[in-house]
Amino acid sequence: QKEVEQNSGPLSVPEGAIASLNCTYSDRVSQSFFWYRQYSGKSPELIMSIYSNGDKEDGRFTAQLNKASQYVSLLIRDSQPSDSATYLCAVKASGTYKYIFGTGTRLKVLA
Amino acid sequence: DGGITQSPKYLFRKEGQNVTLSCEQNLNHDAMYWYRQDPGQGLRLIYYSQIVNDFQKGDIAEGYSVSREKKESFPLTVTSAQKNPTAFYLCATQDRGHEKLFFGSGTQLSVL
Repeated sequence: QKEVEQNSGPLSVPEGAIASLNCTYSDRVSQSFFWYRQYSGKSPELIMSIYSNGDKEDGRFTAQLNKASQYVSLLIRDSQPSDSATYLCAVKASGTYKYIFGTGTRLKVLA
Repeated sequence: DGGITQSPKYLFRKEGQNVTLSCEQNLNHDAMYWYRQDPGQGLRLIYYSQIVNDFQKGDIAEGYSVSREKKESFPLTVTSAQKNPTAFYLCATQDRGHEKLFFGSGTQLSVL
């Protein structure tokens, strides 16, 4: 069974700090990786995608991928209370149309 | 207004009843998906469809059925065989050649 693992949290950080969210996956040949933000009672919203090793930056968000370690992370700089949400890591299974989601990490940014 | 429309937002099912959740998209995306989300859990795949008139079972298809008669529409029926249907149901689409998955606003299904 292919899996995506995340720490459920909550991860609490003060306003203005860097929040670091982590995700590991078991399917070694996975090629596509995604971070979604989900507010309570709402649907997931795509915030980052990454396909190759290294860092990818978009505004306050940086996604980091290390395929050798099967590890993907999301850094949120200058965290704001509005960033408080659950962050879902998703991995696209190799050779299929299936996306496998982790259970999510709940982030709390304290004002 | 482009996007993915799920209806209704809230749905209540009586025991023994079948209910149908609607998902319509005008993004011209080829692939459509249904996921189920339980509190504190990740998204679990129910069914997905890559093209019209074709669909595949996901990890938890038992008690559910779908159809894909039009590219724009992928309705999900929760049958009476699904004994624990209370959950948040999410429809998603993906454009061929692009990896990104986009979600509708969801339907919360509860049992009366």
